[in-house]
Amino acid sequence: AQTVTQSQPEMSVQEAETVTLSCTYDTSESDYYLFWYKQPPSRQMILVIRQEAYKQQNATENRFSVNFQKAAKSFSLKISDSQLGDAAMYFCASPNNAGNMLTFGGGTRLMVKP
Amino acid sequence: KAGVTQTPRYLIKTRGQQVTLSCSPISGHRSVSWYQQTPGQGLQFLFEYFSETQRNKGNFPGRFSGRQFSNSRSEMNVSTLELGDSALYLCASSPPYSGANVLTFGAGSRLTVL
Repeated sequence: AQTVTQSQPEMSVQEAETVTLSCTYDTSESDYYLFWYKQPPSRQMILVIRQEAYKQQNATENRFSVNFQKAAKSFSLKISDSQLGDAAMYFCASPNNAGNMLTFGGGTRLMVKP
Repeated sequence: KAGVTQTPRYLIKTRGQQVTLSCSPISGHRSVSWYQQTPGQGLQFLFEYFSETQRNKGNFPGRFSGRQFSNSRSEMNVSTLELGDSALYLCASSPPYSGANVLTFGAGSRLTVL
């Protein structure tokens, strides 16, 4: 069974600063994907970034990037130039390879201070 | 392109009743997944349907069931409601190719059981 752990229940960052959210996972799969989803107060889950495990290069999407350490099974999310609209719950997730079943971490609530 | 539409957005039921939630996926998406989100248990996978067949099922009692229609719309049903079934129920759809797909989530249906 896959497990995904987010050790930071809550984080805060000053507007325009950089913050890193941590995630560790455990999987027996050799090829897999990892995701970060954002859930703002409106509740709709939005994909932030996706990393394919066989790719050594860390994924980047504008101000969002990941630090993927496959051997350590670590998948952290870095948000640069934080904006007020980044305030949300962030969930790390990993799918199994038999469809679209995602295992989510417990989430990190990010607060952005103006 | 319309997103994933879930109805109703809010509903209140009493213990022992049953409830049916509906999900209309993005046009062309054939996979629909359901998740339950609660403060205590976090996000948990319920089941996934692909081309009208249940492809994956999470660890939930038989009171939770679902189905998918030929137009890919999906419904989930919870019978004999319990207080612990109060949750946000999220539906997600993904496009019809194999592998770990990106899920697009709906806004959710907030169920309160009294």
